[in-house]
Amino acid sequence: GIQVEQSPPDLILQEGANSTLRCNFSDSVNNLQWFHQNPWGQLINLFYIPSGTKQNGRLSATTVATERYSLLYISSSQTTDSGVYFCAVLTNSGYALNFGKGTSLLVTP
Amino acid sequence: SQTIHQWPATLVQPVGSPLSLECTVEGTSNPNLYWYRQAAGRGLQLLFYSVGIGQISSEVPQNLSASRPQDRQFILSSKKLLLSDSGFYLCAWSVQGGRNSPLHFGNGTRLTVT
Repeated sequence: GIQVEQSPPDLILQEGANSTLRCNFSDSVNNLQWFHQNPWGQLINLFYIPSGTKQNGRLSATTVATERYSLLYISSSQTTDSGVYFCAVLTNSGYALNFGKGTSLLVTP
Repeated sequence: SQTIHQWPATLVQPVGSPLSLECTVEGTSNPNLYWYRQAAGRGLQLLFYSVGIGQISSEVPQNLSASRPQDRQFILSSKKLLLSDSGFYLCAWSVQGGRNSPLHFGNGTRLTVT
């Protein structure tokens, strides 16, 4: 099956800092999503982005499908950004999203 | 708008007891439905998915089963729980077809088997 690798696995930032999270995948995909799992376990949709660039407030994402990677940018980080960020992909032959192992982010005051 | 409900939020069950977790979706028809499990250590593992009533596909052979008795209802069950069934169970839905549309998750059920 498709391999989804996220980096870095853990990240500690001071409030106000910027960060870039990366997702590499091993096959062509027709669906890619970024999720934020908050400390209570809720998985929140951030972006549906199989290709191109999107922005939502302080967050933006870019997927370069031909090079099989996606990036999530967090600017001016806040303590509420803490949690685990997951990248998930679906190939043309798959039936459900395959998740990476996530990047655990801690934003300190 | 569409919403997904999952209950209970937390559950503590003894080894060998049965399990029933329920998930319902509102505001859409004939959704694709999914059960994922997140064990300690973050990764999400697909357990079951369904494209219609009575149609269940299993990704991982295990002690669990799923059923879809109604269009927008998805149930995860076990006849006898094992310690290894502990984890965080998440139900999700996407529009019919689903391949090129976002996946939306419920709030999850945290199951502890003692």
